[in-house]
Amino acid sequence: DSGVTQTPKHLITATGQRVTLRCSPRSGDLSVYWYQQSLDQGLQFLIHYYNGEERAKGNILERFSAQQFPDLHSELNLSSLELGDSALYFCASSVAPGGPDTQYFGPGTRLTVL
Amino acid sequence: AQSVTQLGSHVSVSEGALVLLRCNYSSSVPPYLFWYVQYPNQGLQLLLKYTSAATLVKGINGFEAEFKKSETSFHLTKPSAHMSDAAEYFCAVTSQAGKSTFGDGTTLTVKP
Repeated sequence: DSGVTQTPKHLITATGQRVTLRCSPRSGDLSVYWYQQSLDQGLQFLIHYYNGEERAKGNILERFSAQQFPDLHSELNLSSLELGDSALYFCASSVAPGGPDTQYFGPGTRLTVL
Repeated sequence: AQSVTQLGSHVSVSEGALVLLRCNYSSSVPPYLFWYVQYPNQGLQLLLKYTSAATLVKGINGFEAEFKKSETSFHLTKPSAHMSDAAEYFCAVTSQAGKSTFGDGTTLTVKP
């Protein structure tokens, strides 16, 4: 158990819908990272927040948005969902704002878009 | 820009044999390099990382990796494979800002 929690574990929805994925970092960690893992695209970095502020952005679609709240939990919002958005979404947390810091991964949310 | 190439999407070894998983990277600045392991239906777990200290890095479960700047490589090795090592392994390079780029992964199969 990494100490990072993600809810829900599974999510099934329809095309065009909007969903919110939630991540709670390990106690004391200020950084949250979001990743998408799919068979087509592999493991892709989406976005990184440190202490509420965006630090780095990766291959995140405009239909997707994220934020980190004052209590340091983070939410990833996915809208106008398409079949191709079906994937495992991981969040990870670390103490420091990137670089060599070890990231601890949550168990993931499996999103299925029908 | 940074990138990672893992050579070999599938590697099969016999139990007790040497494990060698290859990773080459490209980075415009000194890299932070990581190896992760992923078991089925689980998140990623850090095996080891290179952060510009010793070039030979020892990790968990008997794995180690050597950073070779001249070859831009960070290959993962384990002297003797165990059945429990069967999993998918990812090499990654991370920037100072925390942007990570992952390789496509290598699935390791261990035969009895």
